[in-house]
Amino acid sequence: DGGITQSPKYLFRKEGQNVTLSCEQNLNHDAMYWYRQDPGQGLRLIYYSQIVNDFQKGDIAEGYSVSREKKESFPLTVTSAQKNPTAFYLCASSIDRGETQYFGPGTRLLVL
Amino acid sequence: GQQLNQSPQSMFIQEGEDVSMNCTSSSIFNTWLWYKQDPGEGPVLLIALYKAGELTSNGRLTAQFGITRKDSFLNISASIPSDVGIYFCAGNSGGSNYKLTFGKGTLLTVNP
Repeated sequence: DGGITQSPKYLFRKEGQNVTLSCEQNLNHDAMYWYRQDPGQGLRLIYYSQIVNDFQKGDIAEGYSVSREKKESFPLTVTSAQKNPTAFYLCASSIDRGETQYFGPGTRLLVL
Repeated sequence: GQQLNQSPQSMFIQEGEDVSMNCTSSSIFNTWLWYKQDPGEGPVLLIALYKAGELTSNGRLTAQFGITRKDSFLNISASIPSDVGIYFCAGNSGGSNYKLTFGKGTLLTVNP
């Protein structure tokens, strides 16, 4: 079945450690996105990529980094510079930029 | 930046009742999307609207793209317990702005 997978579902890390969240899609979508969700808040865009080897900062990119070496994959690294990393992270993709976005199941990151 | 006001923030209803929620924008949108999110999961697309005045149904769900292009509503008829969750609206103004703007969500609780 086509879809978006994120792994792991839950992730625990010690403060000061970098951590990488995985996002893979087999929908043949060009555009991919990373969002952060906090309780009671709307989704906030961290980074997006319109095409392989290209990505742009979203609204809250500080403390995060991404790569887009393959069309299917868009991993997100939460660095030690991110001051409040504990959150629910959602990956999404769309056929092209600006088109309807479809979401993965999410990764809940807890930094202790 | 673009603002989306989604209301109500939460609703408590009895099974079988109809539900209505809406979103209003400070600017014109070319696309309105409605998502549902279950606890700990990613948002799932319910209905996508692409044209002012468009009225689209998906089972017991009906959504409309407001004629002014600054609002949209979602109705759920004859609610059932599995309708419980958070409903998000999202909009896109099109053109070079491909980012989605999200509402903060409506938490729906259905009492059996």
